[in-house]
Formats: sequence, structure tokens, C-alpha cells
Amino acid sequence: AQSVSQHNHHVILSEAASLELGCNYSYGGTVNLFWYVQYPGQHLQLLLKYFSGDPLVKGIKGFEAEFIKSKFSFNLRKPSVQWSDTAEYFCAFSGGYNKLIFGAGTRLAVHP
Amino acid sequence: EAGVTQSPTHLIKTRGQQATLRCSPISGHTSVYWYQQALGLGLQFLLWYDEGEERNRGNFPPRFSGRQFPNYSSELNVNALELEDSALYLCASSFLAGDLLRNEQFFGPGTRLTVL
Repeated sequence: AQSVSQHNHHVILSEAASLELGCNYSYGGTVNLFWYVQYPGQHLQLLLKYFSGDPLVKGIKGFEAEFIKSKFSFNLRKPSVQWSDTAEYFCAFSGGYNKLIFGAGTRLAVHP
Repeated sequence: EAGVTQSPTHLIKTRGQQATLRCSPISGHTSVYWYQQALGLGLQFLLWYDEGEERNRGNFPPRFSGRQFPNYSSELNVNALELEDSALYLCASSFLAGDLLRNEQFFGPGTRLTVL
């Protein structure tokens, strides 16, 4: 079955701490991978995406993610978080039929 | 450029009623997708429409249906509402290029449906 597993449901960090959110997908074929973010009261926005090529992709606001095919993983990282990064983060992939399969999301709270 | 718009913002219905949710895609986008974001369940794919045709459907009962109009806007209809249908319903749009996998989806703000 196609699925996405996000390892942490809630993460609490202090400003300037480093962030890594885990994401593993289950699918046997070629995938495109995405991280979306939903800030409080706002709609879902694309943070970054991987289609092919360099497995280390950079997105907006200093976020990056690394695709490790052998581990079926696409972890999101940021070296130093800010209070404004408080949001819910969703990992997703599309493996066919043009639909996105989402993980359950990780709520990140950053304290000043 | 205007983004994906959805209406209404909030919708309150009672069990057994029908709900109609509307979505207008980004100009130039022909594909519209519907997702359900229920509490604790994340986002789940509901439906995909392109050029007026239903192209794919998620694991939802037939009382979830929809359509796409010639101007590419879309409606999601939920019949015989149940309490567990309470959720945020998100619409997304994309243009359909040759490589299906590369169609980035842009999301609207959602319609929050509450079933009492």
C-alpha cells in the first residue's frame, strides 16, 4: 500500500535550534517528493520538492531535504529555526495517477 | 496571480443533509483535486478532475461526488452527511503536462465543514 510515515507528531524547539523531521514513504516505483507547510490560519504551501537529480534539494525559508532512495526517506532539515517556523509540516509523494499521498503531519512549535 | 479560491469558508450542516463545496483553480490550470483533512487523519485524496472528467478517486464512499465545469471550476458534493464528515476540505489545482508525476499542486484555503 502507498503510504507516508512522519516520525514525529509534535516537535518543540527553542529558537536557533536545528530541526530535522523524518519522512519515509512506501511505494515501489518512481516518486516525486514534497514537503508542504501550513502556518497557523494559512493554507497549505509548498516548501520544497524533489523530482530528479541532486538528492539534496533546497526550498524556501532556509529549508532543505535529502532524498535517500535506499532508505525510502525524504527528511526535512533547517540548521536554525525561528519562531516564525511554528507550523504544521506535511511530507507527501506522488507515485502515479496524479494524486498526492500525505503523511499525518508534524506540528512544530518554536519558542523564543 | 490569483491563487486557488474556495467557498464557502465555513459550512455547518446537520446529519443527513447535503453539502456543496466550490473551488476555482488558478487561471490556466485544468486539473482540480479534492482532499479531506480530518482531525488526526492527515490529508486524504478524494477526487481528481481534469477537462471535465473524473480521472481518479480515493477510498471514499459514493456519497462523495463532484464535477468540473467548462471553466475548470469544480464542486464537491457530499450527500447524506455523517458526523465523521466534519473536516477541512482542500482543493488544489495544477496544469496537466505530459509527465503526470511532475504536476505540482497548489492548494486553496479550504472549506471547514461541520456536521452536527
